[in-house]
Amino acid sequence: DAGVIQSPRHEVTEMGQEVTLRCKPISGHDYLFWYRQTMMRGLELLIYFNNNVPIDDSGMPEDRFSAKMPNASFSTLKIQPSEPRDSAVYFCASSLSRPGRVTDTQYFGPGTRLTVL
Amino acid sequence: DQQVKQNSPSLSVQEGRISILNCDYTNSMFDYFLWYKKYPAEGPTFLISISSIKDKNEDGRFTVFLNKSAKHLSLHIVPSQPGDSAVYFCAASMDSNYQLIWGAGTKLIIKP
Repeated sequence: DAGVIQSPRHEVTEMGQEVTLRCKPISGHDYLFWYRQTMMRGLELLIYFNNNVPIDDSGMPEDRFSAKMPNASFSTLKIQPSEPRDSAVYFCASSLSRPGRVTDTQYFGPGTRLTVL
Repeated sequence: DQQVKQNSPSLSVQEGRISILNCDYTNSMFDYFLWYKKYPAEGPTFLISISSIKDKNEDGRFTVFLNKSAKHLSLHIVPSQPGDSAVYFCAASMDSNYQLIWGAGTKLIIKP
């Protein structure tokens, strides 16, 4: 299995531009998570989906952030408009069943390093 | 308020010796704990986990100990190897909530 795939690996953009990050989860996994990692706040959960349905987006910082999962094999995280404080590494992860239980290991993608100038 | 704390930002250990990484939590409802390892430019990878019904779980060179009364868990790596140099994250969850609550991570450096 190729694991969780994220694209792009690096994104540099200017303030005010729209940014779209993409994720392909592991086939058969029914949970998908978007995380953001910064030096100040560590690893933060932004939103997660179960069977393509957003379950909890309370971690999304503000309305500029949106996430979709149109099908079981693809998800996007969009920032519009982007700001310099959005600069971070964004991870996508997937898991087979409910997180935190014995069989619920989350598998992470390599991340997208976003720099907003 | 941080519910999962890793108070040591970094730790340096001689190759072949034991590495001990610590994690404290505040929420007594947590009943499942995980350790993840992260190399630069890669996502975190699952290492080992423990349920609150146990106080120890072992997998090869890695052992996690859980002290519920102290709300403390630790990861022991014996013997430490250069490839163990990475950032280690502690995470916790509870049965009533899907979320993994993450610590800030500890950077482990294994010296040759």
